[in-house]
Amino acid sequence: DSGVTQTPKHLITATGQRVTLRCSPRSGDLSVYWYQQSLDQGLQFLIQYYNGEERAKGNILERFSAQQFPDLHSELNLSSLELGDSALYFCASSQGQGIYEQYFGPGTRLTVT
Amino acid sequence: SQKIEQNSEALNIQEGKTATLTCNYTNYSPAYLQWYRQDPGRGPVFLLLIRENEKEKRKERLKVTFDTTLKQSLFHITASQPADSATYLCAFLSSGSARQLTFGSGTQLTVLP
Repeated sequence: DSGVTQTPKHLITATGQRVTLRCSPRSGDLSVYWYQQSLDQGLQFLIQYYNGEERAKGNILERFSAQQFPDLHSELNLSSLELGDSALYFCASSQGQGIYEQYFGPGTRLTVT
Repeated sequence: SQKIEQNSEALNIQEGKTATLTCNYTNYSPAYLQWYRQDPGRGPVFLLLIRENEKEKRKERLKVTFDTTLKQSLFHITASQPADSATYLCAFLSSGSARQLTFGSGTQLTVLP
């Protein structure tokens, strides 16, 4: 158990809908990262927050947004969902920024029908 | 663009042998590399971090090497066991303002009993 929690575990929704994925980092970790993993793309970095502020952005679509709250939990919002958004979404946390190992949560499996 | 490649999609070896996985990178000279293990449907688990000034690092049956001349990292599992069967990912921290972890596509290792 990495200490990172993600909810929900599974999510099935229709195209055009909006969903929110939630992540609680390990106790004491200030950085939260979001990744998307699909079969054909591998593990893709989406966005990073550090202590409530956005610090790095990867190939995150404009339809996706995230935030980190004062209690350090984070939410990833996915809107106008398309079939191609079906994937595993992982949250990871680390102690700081940069050269730290990342601890991954169990993931949320999103299926868009 | 910065690229990281794991040049074996799948590797099958006999129990007790040493598994060697390769990670190559191009257009970049990372200061360090990380290796993760991922089991199906689960989040990656951090294994080892090696810095550019460390030629080799060990942890129990795991050994990682980092050759900055060849732009390559090798990951070894000695005395392999069926429980070592998983996908192994290498990753480096990209340069520039968006310092994100870039992951390779992974090598799926199967240790046959």
